Amino acid sequence: NAGVTQTPKFQVLKTGQSMTLQCAQDMNHNSMYWYRQDPGMGLRLIYYSASEGTTDKGEVPNGYNVSRLNKREFSLRLESAAPSQTSVYFCASGGQFSYEQYFGPGTRLTVT
Amino acid sequence: AQRVTQPEKLLSVFKGAPVELKCNYSYSGSPELFWYVQYSRQRLQLLLRHISRESIKGFTADLNKGETSFHLKKPFAQEEDSAMYYCASRGNTDKLIFGTGTRLQVFP
Repeated sequence: NAGVTQTPKFQVLKTGQSMTLQCAQDMNHNSMYWYRQDPGMGLRLIYYSASEGTTDKGEVPNGYNVSRLNKREFSLRLESAAPSQTSVYFCASGGQFSYEQYFGPGTRLTVT
Repeated sequence: AQRVTQPEKLLSVFKGAPVELKCNYSYSGSPELFWYVQYSRQRLQLLLRHISRESIKGFTADLNKGETSFHLKKPFAQEEDSAMYYCASRGNTDKLIFGTGTRLQVFP
């Protein structure tokens, strides 16, 4: 099992460009999450999906959109990237009654 | 609203010294508390949770409801313990609220 995979690993964007971060899990988990990690801020939840077909905003959703394409995949889209979105993005998944979230390796995004 | 506070950004100790990483939470109900760890160039992973009351890699954490704390302790630090540690809490949803993290540096 690959667990949680994310693509790409690194990305540099210019202000105003758009891109989609991909995430997939092969653990048959219902819940999936997108976080951003910033120095001094810890991990902050952007969006999450409790089950296929549902998505909800987290703590910092502005500037992002998500799609829960199916049970395996949960993508994060930046429609018009801004320098404030420079961060490391982590995807995670968890079972419905699971206390543990499994994290992907992260995507390091720089917006210039 | 749930909140998790980790007051120390950086904690530096020498090998063999005791370690305590502080975590305080605010939640009116009965939260689940966790410690996650991120070693260099590795993904974030669960270290331990308060319900299991177990010791992982020599680390323990006790939930103190009176002080609303869940400090992570190890009596003798090892160099391989150097990592970023995050305290997290979960209320009545599947969402985790993370603290800002504490970087532990263990010097030889």
